[in-house]
Amino acid sequence: EVQLVESGGGLVKPGGSLRLSCAASGFTFSSYSMTWVRQAPGKGLEWVSSISSSNSYIYYADSLKGRFTISRDNAKNSLYLQMNSLRAEDTAVYYCARDPGIAAAGTPHFDYWGQGTLVTVSS
Amino acid sequence: SYVLTQPPSVSVAPGKTARITCGGNNIGSKSVHWYQQKPGQAPVLVIYYDSERPSGIPERLSGSNSGNTATLTISRVEAGDEADYYCQVWDSSSDHVVFGGGTKLTVL
Repeated sequence: EVQLVESGGGLVKPGGSLRLSCAASGFTFSSYSMTWVRQAPGKGLEWVSSISSSNSYIYYADSLKGRFTISRDNAKNSLYLQMNSLRAEDTAVYYCARDPGIAAAGTPHFDYWGQGTLVTVSS
Repeated sequence: SYVLTQPPSVSVAPGKTARITCGGNNIGSKSVHWYQQKPGQAPVLVIYYDSERPSGIPERLSGSNSGNTATLTISRVEAGDEADYYCQVWDSSSDHVVFGGGTKLTVL
């Protein structure tokens, strides 16, 4: 059974940092691209960042302006999101998701999602 | 940047057919994917590659994509279909994932 479990969320002050983790199991993690998607309270889905299976390709939403860094450790079956210079507008549930598609073919999509971890940025 | 436009809400009576649209410039040339999200839950992929259904998704849900509009069709709507639905594409010109704003489906 495919499982994605996020952790690392919590309350952080504006300007602070947080590192999210996503532990994957039930599939060959190193064969799939992975993605972070966030959802602010009462709002829609917002794509954050994606990383290819072998770290060859990394993509970010423009709104992040270099504050976030996605990474993965295939040996540990884990995905990460380092978030720096956090702002109130970064408050959201952060989901990790598996992507069986290929960016070069225009087919990224997300077939399994974790339950999400809540990040709250507030003083 | 590429924009996907969805109606904020769609209402339908039980047993009827709901159609949720997703508009985008020449979206017919892209692969469109649809997600269902119920309150307090993570999104679930319900349609991928315009019209393919993942295992476990009922045949009542179907998708189409042509021209400037992609459509998620839910036939014989049930109370359990009440949820938010999001369309999604990959924008190759910007190398970005793009989500539509979401449509809240209400079963009357």
